[in-house]
Amino acid sequence: DQQVKQNSPSLSVQEGRISILNCDYTNSMFDYFLWYKKYPAEGPTFLISISSIKDKNEDGRFTVFLNKSAKHLSLHIVPSQPGDSAVYFCAAKRDFGNEKLTFGTGTRLTIIP
Amino acid sequence: DAGITQSPRHKVTETGTPVTLRCHQTENHRYMYWYRQDPGHGLRLIHYSYGVKDTDKGEVSDGYSVSRSKTEDFLLTLESATSSQTSVYFCAISDIKDSIKSAEAFFGQGTRLTVV
Repeated sequence: DQQVKQNSPSLSVQEGRISILNCDYTNSMFDYFLWYKKYPAEGPTFLISISSIKDKNEDGRFTVFLNKSAKHLSLHIVPSQPGDSAVYFCAAKRDFGNEKLTFGTGTRLTIIP
Repeated sequence: DAGITQSPRHKVTETGTPVTLRCHQTENHRYMYWYRQDPGHGLRLIHYSYGVKDTDKGEVSDGYSVSRSKTEDFLLTLESATSSQTSVYFCAISDIKDSIKSAEAFFGQGTRLTVV
């Protein structure tokens, strides 16, 4: 039972345009969401997060939007740069104590120069 | 970057042999995790630890055991390696940000394990 889903395995975007990565979740107990970025042969690195008390969080070129009623979140990258080419994982957890992260299957983003 | 070191980085082993992977942290974080990454599955939690000698199972714990005798070290053992355990293994750490909330997890560089 995949509680966190990333339905697009891959996405290609022109450099300078907006990249939009999507994530859906099924567990209504999740109230803290994170995006991780992963380059080949490296570990995932934390990118941005959002608590369920917000619907938007912005950090530079990266913005995460949360739609709780739809159980959907998205990551917007604008403008997209070649260095953004990586696999992006969505993750979710209960924002309480030592709750573990549940990850999606990842989306491979390719930025076309 | 969080101080997390995984060893070895690469290993090839034969079916049926025991294998131990090591995760070492210098951040004094309370929580440590072992994940595996496989195509089509993302990252799946194997085992985790919430303190010295305190460990619990994740979603894919069969065939794996862990030990944590010191805050800085978390060992993952494949008791009798099988080809289905060929994967990339990641260690992660986290800690409590305030009294009730845990911060984001930080990952090591990964260990690529091949079971032949």
